[in-house]
Amino acid sequence: KAGVTQTPRYLIKTRGQQVTLSCSPISGHRSVSWYQQTPGQGLQFLFEYFSETQRNKGNFPGRFSGRQFSNSRSEMNVSTLELGDSALYLCASSLFRTAQETQYFGPGTRLLVL
Amino acid sequence: AQKITQTQPGMFVQEKEAVTLDCTYDTSDQSYGLFWYKQPSSGEMIFLIYQGSYDEQNATEGRYSLNFQKARKSANLVISASQLGDSAMYFCAMREAFSGGYNKLIFGAGTRLAVHP
Repeated sequence: KAGVTQTPRYLIKTRGQQVTLSCSPISGHRSVSWYQQTPGQGLQFLFEYFSETQRNKGNFPGRFSGRQFSNSRSEMNVSTLELGDSALYLCASSLFRTAQETQYFGPGTRLLVL
Repeated sequence: AQKITQTQPGMFVQEKEAVTLDCTYDTSDQSYGLFWYKQPSSGEMIFLIYQGSYDEQNATEGRYSLNFQKARKSANLVISASQLGDSAMYFCAMREAFSGGYNKLIFGAGTRLAVHP
C-alpha cells in the first residue's frame, strides 16, 4: 500500500509570492491534516480536512488555507509569502477521526522563502 | 492547556544498549492518545508506537515499548538494543478526543538521539 505522498518535495519562492502544496493520503484514508515544522516553533498544527470539510484549524493567519477534494487529496495554499513561512510542511492522513487513530505522515515539502 | 514536554534535547547511547526517552503530558481529557514518531534527517515522520489512555498494558512494537504511567502523566519511549539507524529526532505527541480536536496532534520539542558504535 502506497504511503502518503507530497509534492513538490522542495520549493523556493520569494516574498510576496503564493504557493500551493499537494498531499495524497493513503488509499482509503479520509482525513488529512497539515503541520508546519520550523526550528523555532517546532511542529504546529495547521488544519485538518475530512470529507472535503475543514474540521479543525490551528492558530495561523488567514494567508494559510487549504482544501480537500472528493478523492481525499488535499492542497494547502500560502499567499503573500513571508520569510517566516520557510519551513517543512508535513501532511498526515488517517482513516477516520478518533483519538486512537494513528496519523501517517508524508515526506514533507521543504519551502524556502527568499 | 494541552502540552507535551520532552526534557532531553539530546541523548547519546552505545549501540546495542537500551535507551529511554522521556515524555510528560498535560491534559484535562479522560480520553486521549499518545504517540511516538521518529524523524530522520530526511524529514519524514515515522510512526513508532501508540498508547491509548484507557489501555491497561504498556504498548510494545518490536524494539520499542512505551512506559505509560497515567497518574504521573508520563509516556516514556524505551528503545531496546539500539542500532545505528536509530539515530534521529524523536517526537512525543498527544491527541485529545474532545477538547483538542480529533486529528490535531500536539507535539513535544523532540529529543535528538545519537547512537554510537
